[in-house]
Amino acid sequence: LAKTTQPISMDSYEGQEVNITCSHNNIATNDYITWYQQFPSQGPRFIIQGYKTKVTNEVASLFIPADRKSSTLSLPRVSLSDTAVYYCLVGDIGDNYGQNFVFGPGTRLSVLP
Amino acid sequence: KAGVTQTPRYLIKTRGQQVTLSCSPISGHRSVSWYQQTPGQGLQFLFEYFSETQRNKGNFPGRFSGRQFSNSRSEMNVSTLELGDSALYLCASSWSGGGPTEAFFGQGTRLTVV
Repeated sequence: LAKTTQPISMDSYEGQEVNITCSHNNIATNDYITWYQQFPSQGPRFIIQGYKTKVTNEVASLFIPADRKSSTLSLPRVSLSDTAVYYCLVGDIGDNYGQNFVFGPGTRLSVLP
Repeated sequence: KAGVTQTPRYLIKTRGQQVTLSCSPISGHRSVSWYQQTPGQGLQFLFEYFSETQRNKGNFPGRFSGRQFSNSRSEMNVSTLELGDSALYLCASSWSGGGPTEAFFGQGTRLTVV
C-alpha cells in the first residue's frame, strides 16, 4: 500500500511558480501518480496524472524522476484562486483498486497578494 | 452537462439512528465511489459500485453500506450512527472506475451526529 508524504502547508505570492513535492518511496510498478485540488466545502478536483517523466496540461506540470519515489506538482504563476488543499495520490488505476487509493493529509497552499 | 449531485447537502442525526445519502452521477458514468472526509482522518475510500455491483471496498465496518440502481444513481446507508460518523461524505463518478482517476466529485453531504 503506497503511502505518500507531502508538506502540510506552503505559502506563496501571486504570480510565482509553486512546486509541491510528494514522496512515495514504496510505489508499485503498476501505480500511477495523481494530483487533486480541493476547495473548502467542495469535492476534490482532478488536476493531473502521470506515470513517469513529465506530464503537462493547461493548468499544471507533473515531474516524476526515473526512480518514481517522488513527484513534483508545478503550478505556474499562481493566483489567489489557487488557494486550496492539494492531494497527491498513488495507486493502481485498474478496476480493482480497493483500498489502494489513499489520500494523505494534503498540502494547504495559501497564495498571498 | 450536469455534474455529480448529492442530496441532502446537510443533515443532522442523533446517535443510534440510521441515515441514507443519495448520489446522482454524471450522465453516462457507470462507476460511483463514496468517500468519508474528516479533519482527523482525511479522505478515506468507502466503496465503489459499478453496474449495480459493489466492486471495491475500503476499511469500514458493516454499518456502512451502499447500493447502485440501474440508472447508476447510488445510495449510501449508515446504520446505528455514532458520533465519530460526523463527516463530509463525498461521492465521485467516472465512466469506468479505476480509482479516483479523473473522477468527478460532488459537493458532498455534511452529516452531523449529535
